[in-house]
Amino acid sequence: RKEVEQDPGPFNVPEGATVAFNCTYSNSASQSFFWYRQDCRKEPKLLMSVYSSGNEDGRFTAQLNRASQYISLLIRDSKLSDSATYLCVVKEAGKSTFGDGTTLTVKP
Amino acid sequence: EPEVTQTPSHQVTQMGQEVILRCVPISNHLYFYWYRQILGQKVEFLVSFYNNEISEKSEIFDDQFSVERPDGSNFTLKIRSTKLEDSAMYFCASSDRSYTEAFFGQGTRLTVV
Repeated sequence: RKEVEQDPGPFNVPEGATVAFNCTYSNSASQSFFWYRQDCRKEPKLLMSVYSSGNEDGRFTAQLNRASQYISLLIRDSKLSDSATYLCVVKEAGKSTFGDGTTLTVKP
Repeated sequence: EPEVTQTPSHQVTQMGQEVILRCVPISNHLYFYWYRQILGQKVEFLVSFYNNEISEKSEIFDDQFSVERPDGSNFTLKIRSTKLEDSAMYFCASSDRSYTEAFFGQGTRLTVV
């Protein structure tokens, strides 16, 4: 079983659509959780941290369920500029483990 | 906005040669990391470094790899004898604490020929 497993994708959606990404992790001792985005051949950039209480940043909402070891990201009213690969990242003891990523393409 | 910087942006080297990839982490950060990403594959953890010591390393980080903080600002990754399969994008990252988000540099693309 992979340490961090994401929806395989790709997701192709029209502008304005709502899209949800799912992620599960295997290490119950994991301390912190993040979503990053990565544009083609660029570095991963932090999108948001994920907390058990859930958190929202504009059109983006992230949720964490520690009991189920499950993380989600919801993007509302998607824009062309949201096209990227979304990376679920789980951190423990100073080591970040990345999922394979889910590619999103938003089309006009 | 503070950022992690990496040099060079692209390095081409012959198989068997030594390479040193350089990074300047964000100045008040204490935790430093190297990751690599082979073209078309996922980002893979190599090593984390704190208080002048390696704190975690992956199976990829074998005896051919070493890290150093030679002065107060630079953090380097050395590959002693490069192989073709070392060709990848190498990302340096830093964080202020072990459990907080890591910020990534723009990467060094290493091509071994």
